[in-house]
Amino acid sequence: QSVLTQPPSASGTPGQRVTISCSGSSSNIGSNDVHWYQQLPGTAPKLLIYYNDQRPSGVPDRFSGSKSGTSASLAISGLQSEDEADYFCAAWDDSLNGLFGGGTKLTVL
Amino acid sequence: EVQLVQSGAELRKPGESLKISCQTSGYSFTSHWIGWVRLMPGKGLEWLGIIHPGDSQTKYSPSFQGQGSISADTSTNTAYLHWSSLRASDTAIYYCARASTITIFDTWGQGTLVSVAS
Repeated sequence: QSVLTQPPSASGTPGQRVTISCSGSSSNIGSNDVHWYQQLPGTAPKLLIYYNDQRPSGVPDRFSGSKSGTSASLAISGLQSEDEADYFCAAWDDSLNGLFGGGTKLTVL
Repeated sequence: EVQLVQSGAELRKPGESLKISCQTSGYSFTSHWIGWVRLMPGKGLEWLGIIHPGDSQTKYSPSFQGQGSISADTSTNTAYLHWSSLRASDTAIYYCARASTITIFDTWGQGTLVSVAS
């Protein structure tokens, strides 16, 4: 069981807005930044959001991140079929190692 | 262009040793951390460890500490993940990734499938 807790699944219809949560503790999310990765089927993960709410160049502004206390969220607006993927949150832990969430499988209905 | 190219799929028996590689190009190898992450069947991503090739500083997750080791060769700009004695539970896809800071993996390799079975 991952230290960072995500819902195993999420779904939405095209055009909808969906959010994915990531819950941690004071030693990880509570004191460090959160990053999000998207993993399309059969491919390597890709950095989607860094430093809680920053988008790398090339990532559409439909993707946004936020953090409050020991929790973080990824929001996807204007859902598209190509957004169907696994999404992972990540954070550093004060015990000096990195952590990933268990992942959320997003289905576009 | 930053690129990380990993070695090919491996099939090994329990107890055997293995070293997989991650050849980098397009940036200063000694200026960035490189991490290893695995994806086990039916599971999520797992952070294994990270190395800074500039000074060989290394950090491991508690669950991976002692199970394998990470190294880097600055003469070939290549990072390695090594096991001295594989177990069936090591079966997974292993990814290397460049870290723009110690916590942000901004560029990933294509992954190496390691299968361990008798």
